[in-house]
Order: sequence, then structure tokens, then C-alpha cells
Amino acid sequence: GDSVTQMEGPVTLSEEACLTINCTYTATGYPSLFWYVQYPGEGLQLLLKATKADDKGSNKGFEATYRKETTSFHLEKGSVQVSDSAVYFCALTGTSYGKLTFGQGTILTVHP
Amino acid sequence: DAGITQSPRHKVTETGTPVTLRCHQTENHRYMYWYRQDPGHGLRLIHYSYGVKDTDKGEVSDGYSVSRSKTEDFLLTLESATSSQTSVYFCAISPRTGEYNEQFFGPGTRLTVL
Repeated sequence: GDSVTQMEGPVTLSEEACLTINCTYTATGYPSLFWYVQYPGEGLQLLLKATKADDKGSNKGFEATYRKETTSFHLEKGSVQVSDSAVYFCALTGTSYGKLTFGQGTILTVHP
Repeated sequence: DAGITQSPRHKVTETGTPVTLRCHQTENHRYMYWYRQDPGHGLRLIHYSYGVKDTDKGEVSDGYSVSRSKTEDFLLTLESATSSQTSVYFCAISPRTGEYNEQFFGPGTRLTVL
């Protein structure tokens, strides 16, 4: 079945540092790929998405590129802020009823 | 933000009691989902609905049932709550139209079963 593997956390960075959170997936067909973010005490918010190979999703300075050859969708940001502290989830959805398969989540903490 | 509300937001109950969680949307989206979030597991799908009175099981459906009598409401019922069902429950909705297949999540319900 479908699966998503994220790099293990937690990740702790200083403000303005570069961020990469690795995400690889296993799926049949051509899934859509997503990054969701969860701020403390809140629900999940869609951060960015990509629906086909080589697509780049971007939002709020975050980027991720759908790499079919390496089955990866790594999240990157050039300069993180304290306000980026949150839990980040990589996820995919296949072609059936739209079920989202999530990675286990990566906790990011950014210090001033 | 997508118009999704969940009620209650917090609930404490005892083992063996029935519990119903409600998800309400104002977006008129066809698809609705119930997930549970547990440490180390991300989110896992419990049940989903693809229309009024059309529902099916997800990967962790044992001990849960759902109903959808109106487009805007999707109910999750724990017939006899157990401590293993202590979790945070999220509802999600999706239009699933062409490339617009992302899901939008509600604020969550924190359920504690003593």
C-alpha cells in the first residue's frame, strides 16, 4: 500500500537558518503530494502541493519539488523564522477515494 | 479558511459510554473524512464519505461508525468508548474536482477516555 516516510525529528534551528525536511513516498500510479503544517493547538493547514512530476509547490517561502525518479518531495526554506515553529506533515493522495496517507510528522523549533 | 467546525472541541468520558463527534461544513464539498492523530503515527483515516448516506471504512475503523444524512454534517460515533480511543480527532473535507483534490481540516476534537 501507499506509505510516506519523513526524516525523524525534532529539528531545532536558529532564526534565518536553512531548512530541509526530507520526505520520500511509495505509491502506485501518480499520486498528488502535499505538505501540511500544524501550529500548536490547531488543526492542519495545507502549506503547498504538487500534482504531477517536476511540479514545484511553493507558499510562504517554502518550496518542494515532486521528484518521481527519486520518489521524493523534500520541503525547503531558505531562511526560517520563529513563527515557522510547528509540526510539518508530508502526505500523498492516490486515485481512489482521496484518502490522505501521512508521514509521522516532523517537529520544527526555531530559536531567536 | 474553509468553513469547517467540529463539536465538541474537548470531551472527557468513561470507558463503555457512547460518544458522538460532529463535523459541520459550509463549503458544500462532496467528500468528508474522519482521521485520528496519535503521536508517532501522523494521521490515520477512520471513515470517509463520498456523498449523502455514502460512507466507507478507512484503515482504523474498528470500534467506530459514521453517518451522513445531510451534505453538511458527518457524524463519528464510538459505540462503546475504550481507552485506546483517546486521541485527537480531525474532520476534513475535499471538493475532489480535477486537480483540486486537497483536503481542508477542522480544528480537531480532543477526546479522553478514562
